[in-house]
Formats: sequence, C-alpha cells, structure tokens
Amino acid sequence: EDQVTQSPEALRLQEGESSSLNCSYTVSGLRGLFWYRQDPGKGPEFLFTLYSAGEEKEKERLKATLTKKESFLHITAPKPEDSATYLCAVHYGGSQGNLIFGKGTKLSVKP
Amino acid sequence: KAGVTQTPRYLIKTRGQQVTLSCSPISGHRSVSWYQQTPGQGLQFLFEYFSETQRNKGNFPGRFSGRQFSNSRSEMNVSTLELGDSALYLCASSEGGKAKNIQYFGAGTRLSVL
Repeated sequence: EDQVTQSPEALRLQEGESSSLNCSYTVSGLRGLFWYRQDPGKGPEFLFTLYSAGEEKEKERLKATLTKKESFLHITAPKPEDSATYLCAVHYGGSQGNLIFGKGTKLSVKP
Repeated sequence: KAGVTQTPRYLIKTRGQQVTLSCSPISGHRSVSWYQQTPGQGLQFLFEYFSETQRNKGNFPGRFSGRQFSNSRSEMNVSTLELGDSALYLCASSEGGKAKNIQYFGAGTRLSVL
C-alpha cells in the first residue's frame, strides 16, 4: 500500500537547537516529494519540492534532502517563528490527484 | 498575484443539510484540487479538476461532488451532511498539465456539522 509516514509526530526544541524531521514513503513511481508548512488556521504553505535521490534544497534555516526511501527536513538554529506543522507529500503517477500527505510533524520552538 | 481564495471561511450546518464551498485559484492556474483535513486522518484528496473536467477522484462517497467553471473557479458540494464531515476543506491550485507542478493552497473553509 502506498503511504507516507512522518516522524516524530511532535518535536519541542529550544531556540538555536538544530534537529531533523523525517518523511519516509512507500510508493511506486515517485514523481516528486513536497514539503509544506502549516500554521494554525491557515492552509499549507509550499516550502520545497524534490524530484530525485540526492537532491537538496535550502531556504533560510531549512534544508530538505531526498533519498530513495525518505526525505529529511533539517532545521538549523531554529527560532520561535519556525513553530508550525510541517507536512510532507509524495506525488506519484500522472495526475495531480495522486498526492499522498503524511500526517505532519508539529514543531514547537521555545525562546 | 493574488493567492487561492476560499469562501466562506467558516460554516455551521446541521446533519442532513447540504453545503457548497467555493474556490478561486491563482490567476492562470487551470488545475484545482480539493482536500479534506481532519486531526485523525490528516489531509485526504477529494478530487481534481482541470479545464472543467474531473481528472481524478479520491476515495470519498458520492455525497461529495464538485465542478469547475470556464474561468477555473471551482465549487465543492456535500449533500446530506453527516457529523463526520466536520473538517477543514482545502483547495489547491496549480498551473496543471504536468505532474511536477506545485500546488498552492487556500486558507480553507472550516465546516462544522451539528
């Protein structure tokens, strides 16, 4: 069965304490992996897309990497404003509809 | 460019009623997808429309339906509402036509069924 699993479900960090979020997937024919950030009461905000193993993308304190079975979102020296739920989604097949989301990691960064 | 706009932001309905949600995609985007988000199940795909045609459908009952207009705006309808339909309904638009296109989400419509 095609699925996407994110871990941990929740993560509490002190400001400046770096860590990583994991997204593992079991789909056939991966077309792309997406990371989104979602704040309470808002829709997901696009962060990164990765298409092939070995690919990396960076944006401010965030860095996303991709292997054949999982992706990591590394957060370096996080700040309280990085607190949010981070969602991973995997796209496979030929249509937008084949997008499977993980349940997310809720990140809290304390000052 | 304006983002994806969903209306209304909040809705309260009672069981058995029906509801229509609206989504205006980013200008130039031809693909619109709908998702249901709940604390237990996360984000689940409902359906996708591209150039007024339903291109893909998730595993939801027939009470959930949608349509897309020639200006790419989309509506989603849920008939005979059940308590379990309470959720955040999200609309996402993309340029469409290619598998790699990024989906941009609206703020969602929070539906509460009493």
